[in-house]
Amino acid sequence: EVQLVESGGGLVQPGGSLRLSCAASGFTFSSYEMNWVRQAPGKGLEWVSYISSSGSTIYYADSVKGRFTISRDNAKNSLYLQMNSLRAEDTAVYYCARAVAGIGTDYWGQGTLVTVSS
Amino acid sequence: DIQMTQSPSTLSASVGDRVTITCRASQSISSWLAWYQQKPGKAPKLLIYKASSLESGVPSRFSGSGSGTEFTLTISSLQPDDFATYYCQQYNSYPLFTFGPGTKVDIK
Repeated sequence: EVQLVESGGGLVQPGGSLRLSCAASGFTFSSYEMNWVRQAPGKGLEWVSYISSSGSTIYYADSVKGRFTISRDNAKNSLYLQMNSLRAEDTAVYYCARAVAGIGTDYWGQGTLVTVSS
Repeated sequence: DIQMTQSPSTLSASVGDRVTITCRASQSISSWLAWYQQKPGKAPKLLIYKASSLESGVPSRFSGSGSGTEFTLTISSLQPDDFATYYCQQYNSYPLFTFGPGTKVDIK
């Protein structure tokens, strides 16, 4: 069974940093592209970042470019999102999601809440 | 950038109703469109991919159609478990994704 479990969310002050993790199981993690998608309270879904299976290709949404860094450790079956210079508008539930070309994002974790507030 | 719109934003319906949600893209995305269902406090669940392909395990009352810039998600007979918010997602620009703003289906 495919499982994605996010962790690392919490309350952080504006300008602060946080590192999210996503632990994958039930599939060959190193063969799949991965994404982070977020959802502000009461709002819709916003794609945040993508990383290829090897980690060699990375993309970011304009809203987080230069502040967030996506990475992965295929030996540990883990995906990460380093978030720096956090702003109030980054407050959201952050989901990791598996991507498959031709299908979209087929499996999602349960999400982790990040709250940016003083 | 490709922009996605959905209509209506909210839809009130009864169990047994046929429900149709429309998603439009700002430019042609061929058939590279997916539909997701999300319930409060839960992660989105993939229903349809490539505009009309039903994801494994999804009930056959869900169907998708369209190509180019206009797409529809149809629920043939609304069930109590179907009250949720539905999002479309374009992946013509894969691996860059764009989601629609969502359509909430609630009880009339």
